[in-house]
Order: sequence, then structure tokens, then C-alpha cells
Amino acid sequence: NAGVTQTPKFQVLKTGQSMTLQCAQDMNHNSMYWYRQDPGMGLRLIYYSASEGTTDKGEVPNGYNVSRLNKREFSLRLESAAPSQTSVYFCASSTTGPSRTGELFFGEGSRLTVL
Amino acid sequence: GQQLNQSPQSMFIQEGEDVSMNCTSSSIFNTWLWYKQEPGEGPVLLIALYKAGELTSNGRLTAQFGITRKDSFLNISASIPSDVGIYFCAGQNYGGSQGNLIFGKGTKLSVKP
Repeated sequence: NAGVTQTPKFQVLKTGQSMTLQCAQDMNHNSMYWYRQDPGMGLRLIYYSASEGTTDKGEVPNGYNVSRLNKREFSLRLESAAPSQTSVYFCASSTTGPSRTGELFFGEGSRLTVL
Repeated sequence: GQQLNQSPQSMFIQEGEDVSMNCTSSSIFNTWLWYKQEPGEGPVLLIALYKAGELTSNGRLTAQFGITRKDSFLNISASIPSDVGIYFCAGQNYGGSQGNLIFGKGTKLSVKP
């Protein structure tokens, strides 16, 4: 089982360039998330989608946009990349329920460097 | 906003030793979770706790949901080299927004063979 698949795994951008990180899950989960991980900062939520057709801002949404393309896919777009967006990005998914939405399944990460 | 204080930040131990780490908050949570992240990988869920006072084991790992609902502990017994990684606690209040999972900053575990 693939679980959560992210592409690309590595990317180097110049300041001002745009790019989209792709994420797909095959677990029939309703909820999907984008996190960024920086040294010493833990995991910070950028955007999430509780269900197909809905998206909401997380803790650090500035400079990002998302699209929930269908139930399986949730993409993250950087319109004009900045060096502060150098980070490791993780996509995650979870089932929907009254109490188990914290049980996240993560992808392997996308390592982005902005020069 | 809500914050989790996870300690210690890092640990260097000898293979075979037991490990304890904890997570505290000034706010109450209804759910506590523990994740492990190995180098170059995404975090993987180890244990989920849903009830105050709950003690749950997963092999050599044992986690507890504090009675006050403001803390949680993770113990690893008889550590082995493959225990190396970063351990994250996370707290959540269910109901309402699904974006309300809060992560600690992690405890980095190194194990010397």
C-alpha cells in the first residue's frame, strides 16, 4: 500500500519562482493536511482540508495556497517562493470521526530549498 | 495559542537503557498522541491516548495520559539502536476544527550501541 505519496521529494527554487507540491492518499481518508518542519520548530500546520471541497488556514498559511482537487489529492502551491520557505514539507491524511482525527498518516516529505 | 512543552530536547543513551520523555501544556487536551520520526522519513504514529489516566503499551513503548489532562509521558524500555529518531507528542481537542492538533518540538533520541 502506498499510503500518502508526495512529489517531488527534492526541489531547489530561486526566489520569486513558483511551484506546486503534490500529495495523494489511497486510504479513502476525508481529511488532508500540509505541514512544514523547520529545525527546532516541530511541525507547523500550513493548511488543511477537513473534507473534499473545503480548505482552511492553519498556523502558518502566509505565502501558500492549496487545492483539494478530489478526495485523494491535496496540493500546496508557492506563488512566489522566498528563502524563508526553505523547509521540509509534509502532507498527511486522517480519517474523519469525533475523536480520531489526530491519528495522522504522513508522507515521506518534500525538501524545498529557496535560494 | 496553545503550546506544548516537550522535554528533554535531546537524549544520548547507551543501548539497553530505559528512556523517559514528557510533554506538558497549560491547556487541557482530550487526546494525546506520540509520533516517531526517523531520519529522512515522515512521522509515524506510535500511541494514541483518549482517556485521562489511560496507560497504553506498544511493545517496549508505554505512554500515559496524565490525570490533569495537561500532560503525557512516553517511556521506552531496554532501548535498541533502531529507537533512534525524533519523538513528537501531540495534543488535540476533538470536536470543532480538525486543524487543532498541536505538536511539541520533539525529543531527539540517540542510542550508542
